[in-house]
Amino acid sequence: DADVTQTPRNRITKTGKRIMLECSQTKGHDRMYWYRQDPGLGLRLIYYSFDVKDINKGEISDGYSVSRQAQAKFSLSLESAIPNQTALYFCATSEQRGFQETQYFGPGTRLLVL
Amino acid sequence: AQSVAQPEDQVNVAEGNPLTVKCTYSVSGNPYLFWYVQYPNRGLQFLLKYITGDNLVKGSYGFEAEFNKSQTSFHLKKPSALVSDSALYFCAVRDAYSGAGSYQLTFGKGTKLSVIP
Repeated sequence: DADVTQTPRNRITKTGKRIMLECSQTKGHDRMYWYRQDPGLGLRLIYYSFDVKDINKGEISDGYSVSRQAQAKFSLSLESAIPNQTALYFCATSEQRGFQETQYFGPGTRLLVL
Repeated sequence: AQSVAQPEDQVNVAEGNPLTVKCTYSVSGNPYLFWYVQYPNRGLQFLLKYITGDNLVKGSYGFEAEFNKSQTSFHLKKPSALVSDSALYFCAVRDAYSGAGSYQLTFGKGTKLSVIP
């Protein structure tokens, strides 16, 4: 979905390095999410934010941090990357509509930690 | 706690034949169910969702899904498969009982659909 962009699209880094993945959206949605996808495990929620001042841990937040710089921007950081953080990372957004809300995903960032 | 299961890792179907991708769920309250598709090197695209009402939900690209409360299932279907339907399909559930402010989606592990020419 062109309304949700992620940079970089691919990244190779070394163990111990700090990296940041960025997500921007033009949909005007309040809610933003970070997921990781691993083969055979589906998508797992890392962090989510309902607005600029509201950030919450997801299922697998250890080793990650986030920053919601503005309504349109939500960054994911790996403070000290490790090989088991090699995965496909997705950002998603949603409009606040309660349980009916649909999440819209970016194209993903493929991260390889050596 | 909410959960969703996709019992088949892979589904193969001949082009022109009907296809079904299975999904079952577990929730405490009322389920809100979603199907997403992921094409190679692409993000997830929303296909359809069930909120309430008619048990047969129609979505994008000719897909539909049937909600069955007694069997706790939400299978994705299409009457005639196309080669271009080959992709990874994810079912997701949100439990209306999960509490205000939650709204988290739980995804299945995905089913790879291969449509054979």
